Amino acid sequence: NAGVTQTPKFRVLKTGQSMTLLCAQDMNHEYMYWYRQDPGMGLRLIHYSVGEGTTAKGEVPDGYNVSRLKKQNFLLGLESAAPSQTSVYFCASSYYGGTYEQYFGPGTRLTVT
Amino acid sequence: AQTVTQSQPEMSVQEAETVTLSCTYDTSESNYYLFWYKQPPSRQMILVIRQEAYKQQNATENRFSVNFQKAAKSFSLKISDSQLGDTAMYFCAFSLTSGSRLTFGEGTQLTVNP
Repeated sequence: NAGVTQTPKFRVLKTGQSMTLLCAQDMNHEYMYWYRQDPGMGLRLIHYSVGEGTTAKGEVPDGYNVSRLKKQNFLLGLESAAPSQTSVYFCASSYYGGTYEQYFGPGTRLTVT
Repeated sequence: AQTVTQSQPEMSVQEAETVTLSCTYDTSESNYYLFWYKQPPSRQMILVIRQEAYKQQNATENRFSVNFQKAAKSFSLKISDSQLGDTAMYFCAFSLTSGSRLTFGEGTQLTVNP
């Protein structure tokens, strides 16, 4: 099993450009999440999904959109990138029930200039 | 809303010694899960240990153990026989059983010195 994978690993954008980050998991997990990590602030939840076709806002959703068209994929979109969105983005997944342990991808470092 | 606080931004320890990382949290719920995640320089988030709030016994995983004080809302991580590979950022995290979102603390950067 590959676990949770993220594409791309690094990206540099200019202000105003758009991009989509792809997260894929092969563990048949129901729940998927997008976090951002900034220095000194830990990880903060952007959006999450409890199942195919459903999404919900997290703690810091502004400027981002998400889609979960397939159970194994969770896409994070930036329509008009801003320097404040420079961060490391992590995708995670978990199955419903049990201990709610989340499995994380390797992260994507995004720089907006 | 739940909050998680790690009051030690940085800590250091000598190889083979023991170190304790602190974490406090705030919640009005009685059932929840607590986690410690490790993030080495590779950036990968790795689960170190978890604790179910309804269990009174403290969780242990090899050299890692927790001191869970439910009334005090405290969840510290003890690392025994520290190794160079333990050098990493450590995050305390909270999750409700009725939901699945993780709330993270700010992190503690641990350095193990030879």
